Amino acid sequence: KQEVTQIPAALSVPEGENLVLNCSFTDSAIYNLQWFRQDPGKGLTSLLLIQSSQREQTSGRLNASLDKSSGRSTLYIAASQPGDSATYLCAVYAGNMLTFGGGTRLMVKP
Amino acid sequence: EAGVAQSPRYKIIEKRQSVAFWCNPISGHATLYWYQQILGQGPKLLIQFQNNGVVDDSQLPKDRFSAERLKGVDSTLKIQPAKLEDSAVYLCASSFRGAGTGELFFGEGSRLTVL
Repeated sequence: KQEVTQIPAALSVPEGENLVLNCSFTDSAIYNLQWFRQDPGKGLTSLLLIQSSQREQTSGRLNASLDKSSGRSTLYIAASQPGDSATYLCAVYAGNMLTFGGGTRLMVKP
Repeated sequence: EAGVAQSPRYKIIEKRQSVAFWCNPISGHATLYWYQQILGQGPKLLIQFQNNGVVDDSQLPKDRFSAERLKGVDSTLKIQPAKLEDSAVYLCASSFRGAGTGELFFGEGSRLTVL
């Protein structure tokens, strides 16, 4: 059974810092990995999708990497802004099922 | 392009009552998912449809939960009778070809409180 873990569970940083969110998964036989953002009381917004054959994806200030062999992905956020405050979730697709981690709650202080 | 629509946004019921949630996916998306998200946790898949057929319902508590997707478009998720532990946000998502090849797009969710 696939298990997805996100560390840290919560993170508070001052505005302008670069930061890294971590995601680990137990079964490396995945099809893809997706990072989502969730604002309070809202649904999930897709940020980046990495196919199993890819090693990273970039969108603006966001960069996600994937290391299948070690079962890890990282989401790098450059020059963080207060508007980046949200919960960030990673999800792994394997065995015909998308499994989510518990999320990292990020607060960026002005 | 319209997103995934869900209703109602909020519902408060007493235990042992029933409730139904509705989802309209993005037009043309063949795959539809229902997730349960308990406060502070990541979403957990309840059921996945491909068109109007069930692909995976292994984590659906079938003694009280049911879901259908008639005509391969809209879907409803029903809980009867509700328990206190069913308090959660129920998220509907859709994808064009399935999560293995494409992105999932989520609705804003239906928040259920069971008293």
